[in-house]
Amino acid sequence: GAVVSQHPSRVICKSGTSVKIECRSLDFQATTMFWYRQFPKQSLMLMATSNEGSKATYEQGVEKDKFLINHASLTLSTLTVTSAHPEDSSFYICSAIRGRRYTFGSGTRLTVV
Amino acid sequence: LAKTTQPISMDSYEGQEVNITCSHNNIATNDYITWYQQFPSQGPRFIIQGYKTKVTNEVASLFIPADRKSSTLSLPRVSLSDTAVYYCLVGDWNFGNEKLTFGTGTRLTIIP
Repeated sequence: GAVVSQHPSRVICKSGTSVKIECRSLDFQATTMFWYRQFPKQSLMLMATSNEGSKATYEQGVEKDKFLINHASLTLSTLTVTSAHPEDSSFYICSAIRGRRYTFGSGTRLTVV
Repeated sequence: LAKTTQPISMDSYEGQEVNITCSHNNIATNDYITWYQQFPSQGPRFIIQGYKTKVTNEVASLFIPADRKSSTLSLPRVSLSDTAVYYCLVGDWNFGNEKLTFGTGTRLTIIP
């Protein structure tokens, strides 16, 4: 139980375009989901907390207009990287909590060319 | 959230038992200790969680002393597939919306 599905697993986009990443909780409802990014050889860095039916909460230094988060249902949160640039290339991971256990998606490798 | 400190890296040979210790001196009364494993280009995977004493599951054991200021993840008879980064996290997480903050983790390399 407690499966989080993330899609796509890999995406390559041109500089200036937008990319949407989906995160779904498959067998439970998630009022709150979290979005992380991870650079090579580094730890996960929390970007934002996605709240169903309300605005996301962004960590300090994360541009909310660049990383748009929508949590329209109890099983789906999306992260849209707008006007992507090469420096946005990274590994993006979502997670949700069930009980005291966090479950993570498999991640999305974004490459901006 | 309690800050955690763990070794940056460790090496071990196949078949040995590996113990990774995490320090969390300011752990709160309601905090639990959770360990995650992450392979390259994958999301972290839950390994084990405990509050006190010893917890064992099919993949690992978690030892927590009485003062709870540290914990040790024990991996029995490791294989090459155990090469990964291991994260120790401490928090209550009983309300469904608490943030999970990752430290540096321990990069475990298993040598043939």
